[in-house]
Amino acid sequence: GDSVTQMEGPVTLSEEAFLTINCTYTATGYPSLFWYVQYPGEGLQLLLKATKADDKGSNKGFEATYRKETTSFHLEKGSVQVSDSAVYFCALLGGGSSNTGKLIFGQGTTLQVKP
Amino acid sequence: DSGVTQTPKHLITATGQRVTLRCSPRSGDLSVYWYQQSLDQGLQFLIQYYNGEERAKGNILERFSAQQFPDLHSELNLSSLELGDSALYFCASSVVPGRNTEAFFGQGTRLTVV
Repeated sequence: GDSVTQMEGPVTLSEEAFLTINCTYTATGYPSLFWYVQYPGEGLQLLLKATKADDKGSNKGFEATYRKETTSFHLEKGSVQVSDSAVYFCALLGGGSSNTGKLIFGQGTTLQVKP
Repeated sequence: DSGVTQTPKHLITATGQRVTLRCSPRSGDLSVYWYQQSLDQGLQFLIQYYNGEERAKGNILERFSAQQFPDLHSELNLSSLELGDSALYFCASSVVPGRNTEAFFGQGTRLTVV
């Protein structure tokens, strides 16, 4: 079945460092890909998405490119801030015609940014 | 604020008990999803409803059940609770099911079974 694999955390960075969180997926058809963020004590918020190969999703300085050839959707940010400390989830929405809209999530990666 | 409301925010109960979690979707959203977030299993899809009808089932235990009412709010019922059911339960909603519709998540209900 469909699955998502994220790099294990926690990831600890200093402020203004470059961030990469790896995400790879296995899916039939052409899934849509998402990054969600969960700040402490809060629910999940959509950070960015891409619905087809080579699409680049971006938001709040974060970017991720849908790479079909490597089945990857790595999250990047050029300069992280303390306020970016959160748990980041990679997720996919299957591309089959019977897709119901349910999301399949990776395990989540905790990011801690130190001043 | 995502517009999805979940109540209660926190719930502490004893093993063997039954609880009901409630979710009000965003105005206009017809589809509701329930997810469970636990330390060992991560975020797992439980069940989905669309306009009152069950649409998809995931890793939902037989002790758990859900429904979506005519006003589109949904309830997740958990019975014969075990310690391992302690988790954060999220509800999400979307306009319709499908690959290009965004799901909005509530803040979750944290269930602690003691």
